[in-house]
Amino acid sequence: AQSVTQPDIHITVSEGASLELRCNYSYGATPYLFWYVQSPGQGLQLLLKYFSGDTLVQGIKGFEAEFKRSQSSFNLRKPSVHWSDAAEYFCAVAPSSGTYKYIFGTGTRLKVLA
Amino acid sequence: SAVISQKPSRDICQRGTSLTIQCQVDSQVTMMFWYRQQPGQSLTLIATANQGSEATYESGFVIDKFPISRPNLTFSTLTVSNMSPEDSSIYLCSPRVGETQYFGPGTRLLVL
Repeated sequence: AQSVTQPDIHITVSEGASLELRCNYSYGATPYLFWYVQSPGQGLQLLLKYFSGDTLVQGIKGFEAEFKRSQSSFNLRKPSVHWSDAAEYFCAVAPSSGTYKYIFGTGTRLKVLA
Repeated sequence: SAVISQKPSRDICQRGTSLTIQCQVDSQVTMMFWYRQQPGQSLTLIATANQGSEATYESGFVIDKFPISRPNLTFSTLTVSNMSPEDSSIYLCSPRVGETQYFGPGTRLLVL
């Protein structure tokens, strides 16, 4: 069955530290891959997406993600976290053809210590 | 991308009543998705609404409870009918632009 796993429910980092949020997927073919961020009381904002090509993708707010086909992973990274990055982060996958339904991970809640 | 607005942004409703949520997009989109996000949870797809056709509902969601309208390519509504406290959630519309879905700010519903 198709699935998306975000192994870390909560992550706490200090401001200025580096960040990596994990995302693994189970899919028959290479899907489209997305990271969204949801700040408290807000909707979801698209951080970045991968369709094909260069496996290192740059996004907004200084985030990047790397697609690793051999590991079925699409981990999100940021070299230096700011207090405003505290939010919930969702990884999502979508088929490259067919039903177009997204599958969302359960989310990782990021806490940033001053 | 797309600029999406939802009305109302939040509401407190009594059990047994109905609420209609409006979603307006600043561009024409073919596919519109409606999601529910229960407190502390991920997103659950309610239905897919394409203009000119009946909405397609996911398992566990029915048209009588969540009727959807899609009168044109920039607007959609979701009604939560005969509400119970279990319907307390965030409801999000999500238009698809190309291969990417964008999300509205959400409607926060509390049912007493």
